[in-house]
Amino acid sequence: NAGVTQTPKFQVLKTGQSMTLQCAQDMNHEYMSWYRQDPGMGLRLIHYSVGAGITDQGEVPNGYNVSRSTTEDFPLRLLSAAPSQTSVYFCASSYSPPIYNEQFFGPGTRLTVL
Amino acid sequence: GEDVEQSLFLSVREGDSSVINCTYTDSSSTYLYWYKQEPGAGLQLLTYIFSNMDMKQDQRLTVLLNKKDKHLSLRIADTQTGDSAIYFCAEIYSGGYQKVTFGTGTKLQVIP
Repeated sequence: NAGVTQTPKFQVLKTGQSMTLQCAQDMNHEYMSWYRQDPGMGLRLIHYSVGAGITDQGEVPNGYNVSRSTTEDFPLRLLSAAPSQTSVYFCASSYSPPIYNEQFFGPGTRLTVL
Repeated sequence: GEDVEQSLFLSVREGDSSVINCTYTDSSSTYLYWYKQEPGAGLQLLTYIFSNMDMKQDQRLTVLLNKKDKHLSLRIADTQTGDSAIYFCAEIYSGGYQKVTFGTGTKLQVIP
């Protein structure tokens, strides 16, 4: 099992550019989440999905879109990048709600917006 | 609102015990977790404790929960250089997606 994979590992964007952060898991997990990690702020939930075709907003969803067409993939789209979106982004998955099962995290994508 | 706080930095000598502290505000928390993040990597679940427990021990790790003071601690016995990492506490409460709230993280530096 590869677990949770994320691509790219690093990305630099200019303000206003768009891009998609990829996340995939091969554990047949229903629950997937996107977090951002900023210094001194811990991880904050951006969007999550409880299964293919079902997504919902987390704590900081503005400026981001998600979709879940398959169980395996959960891409995060930045529509028009802003410097405030400079952060490290983590994707996580779990078999069932995080309260019952461990979340597995990907290695992260470090994004810089100039 | 929910808030989970930790001190930012802790330095200990190899072989000593480390104690990482966390305070949380939501009294309806059901599970409390400790995650470890090594440089350049994602978070790994270390251990967790149910909110109806006071203590949990797992090899070198001891978790203490003081529900009255909403205080959680992680003690690492015989700290090794491989324990150098950032440690996050997190809480989760039931209802809906059971949103996990993470603390700010404590960077543990182990001095040889």
